[in-house]
Amino acid sequence: SAVISQKPSRDICQRGTSLTIQCQVDSQVTMMFWYRQQPGQSLTLIATANQGSEATYESGFVIDKFPISRPNLTFSTLTVSNMSPEDSSIYLCSARAGQGNTIYFGEGSWLTVV
Amino acid sequence: AQSVSQHNHHVILSEAASLELGCNYSYGGTVNLFWYVQYPGQHLQLLLKYFSGDPLVKGIKGFEAEFIKSKFSFNLRKPSVQWSDTAEYFCPDKLIFGTGTRLQVFP
Repeated sequence: SAVISQKPSRDICQRGTSLTIQCQVDSQVTMMFWYRQQPGQSLTLIATANQGSEATYESGFVIDKFPISRPNLTFSTLTVSNMSPEDSSIYLCSARAGQGNTIYFGEGSWLTVV
Repeated sequence: AQSVSQHNHHVILSEAASLELGCNYSYGGTVNLFWYVQYPGQHLQLLLKYFSGDPLVKGIKGFEAEFIKSKFSFNLRKPSVQWSDTAEYFCPDKLIFGTGTRLQVFP
């Protein structure tokens, strides 16, 4: 299994600013992912964070808005750039670990943009 | 390649009722099947998983699921639900979680 820690857990951000979310895994993992869960919605995959190369973004998400870093096998960051109220959401870090390609999740970062 | 689908979107039960949430897959080689739960205001937790071995898998909080190859199913079951089981349940297709199933349990 994998234990995933995210910070900040919550934040209130001003419109137009950027915020970086950090994600730490307690073991080395090959695959890390970032999801968004908007209020009342299901999870939407933002991107796969690739170690040593650029992240792979899903349709509707771009690097300029959601730059991602993955400097090593246990850590990743997601930046939400130039935030607007529509970016208010829970951002979840996840990692694939163990048998069967199990995906484990962090507790999420709850962002409110005002 | 494997694909998975849930077909219950909203289930309402009374406490002590039995639960079965449907999850169907199209088999395409290696089978990796999961159920996750998200309690109100909380993050996603893994309920149980199956990738080989005993097709009846037991998870946390009294949940179980059975991999039935002939029916292409991996339904989630609990013999007697509690109010605290109110949550969203997801049977993801690899990285895609879909809309899930909202379970509401009334006392």
